[in-house]
Amino acid sequence: QAVVTQEPSLTVSPGGTVTLTCGSSTGTVTSGHYPYWFQQKAGQAPRTLIYDTSNKHSWTPARFSGSLLGGKAALTLSGAQPEDEADYYCLLSYTGVGVFGGGTKLTVL
Amino acid sequence: EVQLVESGGGLVKPGGSLRLSCAASGFTFSDAWMKWVRQAPGKGLEWVGRIKSKANGGTTDHAAAMKGRFTISRDDSKNTLYLQMSSLKVEDTAVYYCLSYRDSSGYHFDYRGQGTLVTVSS
Repeated sequence: QAVVTQEPSLTVSPGGTVTLTCGSSTGTVTSGHYPYWFQQKAGQAPRTLIYDTSNKHSWTPARFSGSLLGGKAALTLSGAQPEDEADYYCLLSYTGVGVFGGGTKLTVL
Repeated sequence: EVQLVESGGGLVKPGGSLRLSCAASGFTFSDAWMKWVRQAPGKGLEWVGRIKSKANGGTTDHAAAMKGRFTISRDDSKNTLYLQMSSLKVEDTAVYYCLSYRDSSGYHFDYRGQGTLVTVSS
């Protein structure tokens, strides 16, 4: 089974910009992996922020964006807010079988 | 109002079996693709598997680590998703979430249950 890698932790200043990445042990991440990004706050079920690389839901704040960057999937947060402090997980699909990354704990400080 | 309500969790001995249910309401369940994800205490998310709508073949995919032990199914007449788990191991201890994320036409949404805790222990 493929291994999906994320930064274990990142810190961003309020109002700052940070990019979380999602790599695959099988090589370059492409749109064919249908990258998803989830946000999870303590004690809550995960919520989808981004699906299929860069698509947002209606509740996804405009400051979040998804892309492919340097062979990885990427989630960029521009203008971080205190409420963005959470765990972020990417999910890649390998011919229908999903694999989560280990998650990134984002601190806004 | 959209609701996904998981049930069936609890304490089970290693080697035992359990069936989780996820009752859906407030949306067209029969047209929805559904998945299970789990989260061990203090750990990250783990993808368990998914089932497509019958309009898209109703096929299932399961994570390699659970293939052969876990089976996802659905009963559209009851608006219910199932996860049959057998040969349970201590490492299967987790909160299990059901989620619905798209429909047969490719329209995406994000419906989540509150999770049900499965504890595998002797």
